[in-house]
Amino acid sequence: KAGVTQTPRYLIKTRGQQVTLSCSPISGHRSVSWYQQTPGQGLQFLFEYFSETQRNKGNFPGRFSGRQFSNSRSEMNVSTLELGDSALYLCASSPQTGKGPYEQYFGPGTRLTVT
Amino acid sequence: GESVGLHLPTLSVQEGDNSIINCAYSNSASDYFIWYKQESGKGPQFIIDIRSNMDKRQGQRVTVLLNKTVKHLSLQIAATQPGDSAVYFCAEKKTGGSYIPTFGRGTSLIVHP
Repeated sequence: KAGVTQTPRYLIKTRGQQVTLSCSPISGHRSVSWYQQTPGQGLQFLFEYFSETQRNKGNFPGRFSGRQFSNSRSEMNVSTLELGDSALYLCASSPQTGKGPYEQYFGPGTRLTVT
Repeated sequence: GESVGLHLPTLSVQEGDNSIINCAYSNSASDYFIWYKQESGKGPQFIIDIRSNMDKRQGQRVTVLLNKTVKHLSLQIAATQPGDSAVYFCAEKKTGGSYIPTFGRGTSLIVHP
């Protein structure tokens, strides 16, 4: 099976712009989660989508949003970018949610740099 | 407050030695713990997990120990190899809560040949 894929791998944006990141989960996986990884804060959970519905949400401002399509592919959007949004954005897919196993499969991430 | 943290940010070992990476957690309601490995340029990769009703679990060259009394988790890697060089994260999940785990900060393991 192909792993989780994320596009683009690298992105440079200017403060105030918006950005859309894409994630394709492992075939058959219905849950997609997004994380932000920075040296200072570590891995922080953004949100999780299951069957096109947001099931869980982390503690991030409304500038961060996401969605999931019927084929389980997911996108996340960040509007009005700030310098502090520079980070590695990781997507993880899982075959199910609400019960074990809780193993998540991560993609390689999108490295976003805001200048 | 609730937190998952690591005692040492960097651990350097010689090839062939055994490595022990430690993790402290503060939420006694956590019932499931996971160790992830993240190599440079890649996303985290699942290594091993353990439920709170166990105190030890073994995998291939790895062992996870859970001490609920002191809320401590450790990952032991036997015969460490250069390919084990990576950042290791522990993560916890709370009983009855969302299945989304909370990650610790990570420990960088450096294996010297």
